[in-house]
Amino acid sequence: QKEVEQNSGPLSVPEGAIASLNCTYSDRGSQSFFWYRQYSGKSPELIMFIYSNGDKEDGRFTAQLNKASQYVSLLIRDSQPSDSATYLCAVKGGGGADGLTFGKGTHLIIQP
Amino acid sequence: KAGVTQTPRYLIKTRGQQVTLSCSPISGHRSVSWYQQTPGQGLQFLFEYFSETQRNKGNFPGRFSGRQFSNSRSEMNVSTLELGDSALYLCASSARGRASYEQYFGPGTRLTVT
Repeated sequence: QKEVEQNSGPLSVPEGAIASLNCTYSDRGSQSFFWYRQYSGKSPELIMFIYSNGDKEDGRFTAQLNKASQYVSLLIRDSQPSDSATYLCAVKGGGGADGLTFGKGTHLIIQP
Repeated sequence: KAGVTQTPRYLIKTRGQQVTLSCSPISGHRSVSWYQQTPGQGLQFLFEYFSETQRNKGNFPGRFSGRQFSNSRSEMNVSTLELGDSALYLCASSARGRASYEQYFGPGTRLTVT
């Protein structure tokens, strides 16, 4: 069974610091990787996606992928209180046979 | 561009009843996926429709079904509701291109089964 693991947290980070969120996945054939942000009572919002090994940067967000280690991470620079949310890691398997498999999410708290 | 819309937003049903949820994808998106979110299990994939055909299916009983119309709008049906079906049901749309699979979620339908 395909699994995506995340530390549930809460992860507490001071405002202005770098928040580092991690995710591991079990399916070595996985091709696409996504980070969603979900505020309490809201639906998930796509904030980053990455398909190739290495880093991908978008504003204050950097996604990092290491397929050999089956590891994905999300860095949030200059963390703001508005970044406080649950961050969901999602993985798409190879071959297009499945939907996204989600981790349970990491609850991030940015302390002012 | 308008986002994914879902109706109704909230629903209360009684055990044994059936329910139909509706989803309209982002304009131009042809793939619609459905997910169930509960505090215990998190987000779980139900099924995906593309060009009116079910392409993928998650590990849910046959009481959960869906369909997609020619305008890409999708409906999801749950028959013989059980208490455990209480959840947030999320619809996500995707352009489903060959090199991408980014999915964008609607606001969800909160279903409560009593």
